[in-house]
Amino acid sequence: NAGVTQTPKFQVLKTGQSMTLQCAQDMNHNSMYWYRQDPGMGLRLIYYSASEGTTDKGEVPNGYNVSRLNKREFSLRLESAAPSQTSVYFCASAGIALNEQFFGPGTRLTVL
Amino acid sequence: QKEVEQNSGPLSVPEGAIASLNCTYSDRGSQSFFWYRQYSGKSPELIMFIYSNGDKEDGRFTAQLNKASQYVSLLIRDSQPSDSATYLCAVRHSGSARQLTFGSGTQLTVLP
Repeated sequence: NAGVTQTPKFQVLKTGQSMTLQCAQDMNHNSMYWYRQDPGMGLRLIYYSASEGTTDKGEVPNGYNVSRLNKREFSLRLESAAPSQTSVYFCASAGIALNEQFFGPGTRLTVL
Repeated sequence: QKEVEQNSGPLSVPEGAIASLNCTYSDRGSQSFFWYRQYSGKSPELIMFIYSNGDKEDGRFTAQLNKASQYVSLLIRDSQPSDSATYLCAVRHSGSARQLTFGSGTQLTVLP
């Protein structure tokens, strides 16, 4: 089992460009999450999805959109990237008990 | 705003000593508490979690909850250099079963 996978691992964008971060899990989990991690700020929830077809905003959703394509995949889109979106992005998934979130390896995004 | 606070450290302890990490939370109705470990450049991984009804010991790790003072602690006995990492506290607040709020993390260094 690969667990939670994310692509790409690194990305550099110019201000105003768009991109989609991909996430997939093979653990048959219902819940999936997108976080960003900035120095000294911990992990902040951007969006989450409790099940296929549903998404909800987290703490910092502005500037992002998400799609729960199917049970396995949950993508995060930046429509018009800004330097403030420079961060490390983590995708996570959790099973029914919600007692453990499994994290992907992260995407390091730089917006110039 | 439901908050989780951690001392960012760095906290240094000698090898073999007990490392004590603390985390305070603002929501008195919080129901479960999680400790994640994150090595530099890696993704968070769960160490242990406890519910609001008791403490837990797992090998060298003990998680303790003080509900009256609204803090949770992680004790690491017989600390090893391999324990050197950032430790993230996360709380599941009342009314948000699927979401965790993370603290900013405490950086621990175990000196050989």
